[in-house]
Amino acid sequence: KNEVEQSPQNLTAQEGEFITINCSYSVGISALHWLQQHPGGGIVSLFMLSSGKKKHGRLIATINIQEKHSSLHITASHPRDSAVYICAVFGGGYQLIWGAGTKLIIKP
Amino acid sequence: DTGVSQDPRHKITKRGQNVTFRCDPISEHNRLYWYRQTLGQGPEFLTYFQNEAQLEKSRLLSDRFSAERPKGSFSTLEIQRTEQGDSAMYLCASSLAQGAGGYTFGSGTRLTVV
Repeated sequence: KNEVEQSPQNLTAQEGEFITINCSYSVGISALHWLQQHPGGGIVSLFMLSSGKKKHGRLIATINIQEKHSSLHITASHPRDSAVYICAVFGGGYQLIWGAGTKLIIKP
Repeated sequence: DTGVSQDPRHKITKRGQNVTFRCDPISEHNRLYWYRQTLGQGPEFLTYFQNEAQLEKSRLLSDRFSAERPKGSFSTLEIQRTEQGDSAMYLCASSLAQGAGGYTFGSGTRLTVV
């Protein structure tokens, strides 16, 4: 079992839909990252969370430390949101532990 | 400071040639990481530095790979005698050593070995 599990692996939705991507982890962490990667592109850090909720534009990230679960939400999705979204956790060492990513396609 | 910079963005090289990539981290970040990402896969850890000290190397980093961070600022990753299997995106990231490890990633260097 991977230490960081994401679901779904693939998600296709229509423009305007509310999107939720989930991340569960099995290790103790000091922070959780949500990252975005467009096809052929580099990785962009969206959020770093250690508790509660953060919002940036149409993106919202929440984390429940007790349940070891985080969600990334996209409101009013747009085709430019199409990308791979990656959950990665920082356990206090030097490495991020990566989820497998969720490939999101938003159709116009 | 415009974030983590990587150079070049793209590199095409013939098999057997040597290549060198550069990463300029955020100036106040004392940790620097190199990752490799092949198509359709998540990033794989290669190595990391705290200041100028290389503290960990993945077993993925064969003898053909060497990384340096001579003054604790920019870092170079060299691949000698490139092989087609080295074709990948090479990502650099930096962070502060203290705290919860807020990483900033560079845009990556895409290497194609032909």
